[in-house]
Amino acid sequence: GAVVSQHPSWVICKSGTSVKIECRSLDFQATTMFWYRQFPKQSLMLMATSNEGSKATYEQGVEKDKFLINHASLTLSTLTVTSAHPEDSSFYICSARDRGDRRIRQETQYFGPGTRLLVL
Amino acid sequence: AQSVTQPDIHITVSEGASLELRCNYSYGATPYLFWYVQSPGQGLQLLLKYFSGDTLVQGIKGFEAEFKRSQSSFNLRKPSVHWSDAAEYFCAVGVRNTGFQKLVFGTGTRLLVSP
Repeated sequence: GAVVSQHPSWVICKSGTSVKIECRSLDFQATTMFWYRQFPKQSLMLMATSNEGSKATYEQGVEKDKFLINHASLTLSTLTVTSAHPEDSSFYICSARDRGDRRIRQETQYFGPGTRLLVL
Repeated sequence: AQSVTQPDIHITVSEGASLELRCNYSYGATPYLFWYVQSPGQGLQLLLKYFSGDTLVQGIKGFEAEFKRSQSSFNLRKPSVHWSDAAEYFCAVGVRNTGFQKLVFGTGTRLLVSP
């Protein structure tokens, strides 16, 4: 159980285009999903927290208009990188928190396999 | 501010030898601690977690970790390493926020397994 998928697994795009990445919880409902960015050989940096039916909460330094997040349902969150540039090239990973886990203090995040974005 | 330190950037261990990966955290409240493993080009898989109770936590794939409050540490151990254990290992602390918990990750330790 607790499987999270991401689509696509990798994408190459031209500078100036927009790219949408999907994150789905396959066997559980997730009221909260998280989007991380990981540069080569570095750790994961939280970009934003996505709550179903409400606006995402962005971490300091992350551009809201650049990285659009939509959490349309309890099993789907999307990250759109708008007007992508080469510096946006990175590995994007989402995670999801199981709605069924009411114990906030003991919740666990389940991670997707990641999406590698290359902007030319 | 909350932080996690993994002092070893990479470690090489012979197959069959024991392993210990270090993790130190800084957090003002009771920590909720996690170890994740990441294979190349993949997402993160949860190895184990500590919330409360027994300070020695058992995880998947034969891993265990021990929480030591006095040392602010949560080191990961495995008695006998297999070649398939080669990967990147991340320690994380759960930081309580309004309605959910955020994870703060360490910089990771890359494990290499030699024959």
